[in-house]
Amino acid sequence: ETGVTQTPRHLVMGMTNKKSLKCEQHLGHNAMYWYKQSAKKPLELMFVYNFKEQTENNSVPSRFSPECPNSSHLFLHLHTLQPEDSALYLCASSQSGGANYGYTFGSGTRLTVV
Amino acid sequence: GESVGLHLPTLSVQEGDNSIINCAYSNSASDYFIWYKQESGKGPQFIIDIRSNMDKRQGQRVTVLLNKTVKHLSLQIAATQPGDSAVYFCAEGVHSGTYKYIFGTGTRLKVLA
Repeated sequence: ETGVTQTPRHLVMGMTNKKSLKCEQHLGHNAMYWYKQSAKKPLELMFVYNFKEQTENNSVPSRFSPECPNSSHLFLHLHTLQPEDSALYLCASSQSGGANYGYTFGSGTRLTVV
Repeated sequence: GESVGLHLPTLSVQEGDNSIINCAYSNSASDYFIWYKQESGKGPQFIIDIRSNMDKRQGQRVTVLLNKTVKHLSLQIAATQPGDSAVYFCAEGVHSGTYKYIFGTGTRLKVLA
């Protein structure tokens, strides 16, 4: 394990369902991120949180709603998704400010929208 | 726009040989670069990084080379092993309050027995 835990690992949901993805980091980092990984595409940044405050929303549709109750937990609430939203959703954390050593990623949630 | 790309989408290498994975970046302001490895069913894992004030950095069996003149980054893996089979991403980072990264699409490395 990397210190960033994502649940569930796999999720199948209908277009009318509401579900949530969870991410938890045990590294003491103060920044957390949601990325979308689709086949044959680079990682797409969705949201950035620094010290629990959202600092970036990369033009993500409102059917994706992030929540960051504290620096260790990050959620992605999903509702009325489309089939093209099927992808691997990756959570990452980092220590912002000072020396930076990149992100630590979780293993992702494989989402299938049917 | 800014982009990070990889020259070869798939690389097949004999076990024991050296592997070289290449990456081009476009933002001359990028000052930090990372190589990630992503195995099947897992998230990207940090392998090695390099800052723009360096042109070479070595780790255990891995070496990253940075050529800022042509905006080129490479990852060399010595004595490639079956466990090295994975997708490798490069990422370029620019510091703007915190670091922002642009990721490449990835190169799949296949190690042949």
